[in-house]
Amino acid sequence: DQQVKQNSPSLSVQEGRISILNCDYTNSMFDYFLWYKKYPAEGPTFLISISSIKDKNEDGRFTVFLNKSAKHLSLHIVPSQPGDSAVYFCAATATNSGYALNFGKGTSLLVTP
Amino acid sequence: DVKVTQSSRYLVKRTGEKVFLECVQDMDHENMFWYRQDPGLGLRLIYFSYDVKMKEKGDIPEGYSVSREKKERFSLILESASTNQTSMYLCASSSRRTGGGYTFGSGTRLTVV
Repeated sequence: DQQVKQNSPSLSVQEGRISILNCDYTNSMFDYFLWYKKYPAEGPTFLISISSIKDKNEDGRFTVFLNKSAKHLSLHIVPSQPGDSAVYFCAATATNSGYALNFGKGTSLLVTP
Repeated sequence: DVKVTQSSRYLVKRTGEKVFLECVQDMDHENMFWYRQDPGLGLRLIYFSYDVKMKEKGDIPEGYSVSREKKERFSLILESASTNQTSMYLCASSSRRTGGGYTFGSGTRLTVV
């Protein structure tokens, strides 16, 4: 049973515009959320995270928003660049569970020039 | 530069062979994980370990076993490889000290013929 859902398998955005990647979760015990970025033939790399005590976290061009009541988070990339083209995985965990992450299926982002 | 090292980037094995995938981390992380990544299915947890000689089943443990004799090393074993175990295998480690985010290895692309 998928506890973290990324309902858009792919997304295409023009360079310079905003990319918005969405993620929903079902487990109300989740209190820590992360985004990972993965290029082909490489392992995922950590991008940004947010704790449930916050509703927004920003790091340069990347911002993650958390809506706990809707069990929804989103990753905004502004402005998008061709090098951002990758698969993005949303992950969530309950910090009292030992930090095993539950991953979504990923969204493949393509940023076109 | 801290890292998680997976012993092979690419492997080709025959059906029925016993396969060992090795993972070593140099960060003194207590938690280690094995995932497989398949198109459309995202990252699925096979096994994880919170301590030496300790192991827990993930979501898809069937056909796999693991070994953690030393803190830095976590091995995934395919007892009798089958073609449906052809996949990208990703090892990760994490620590409660650093907030629980994963550091991933580069992955092993295993093909079973």
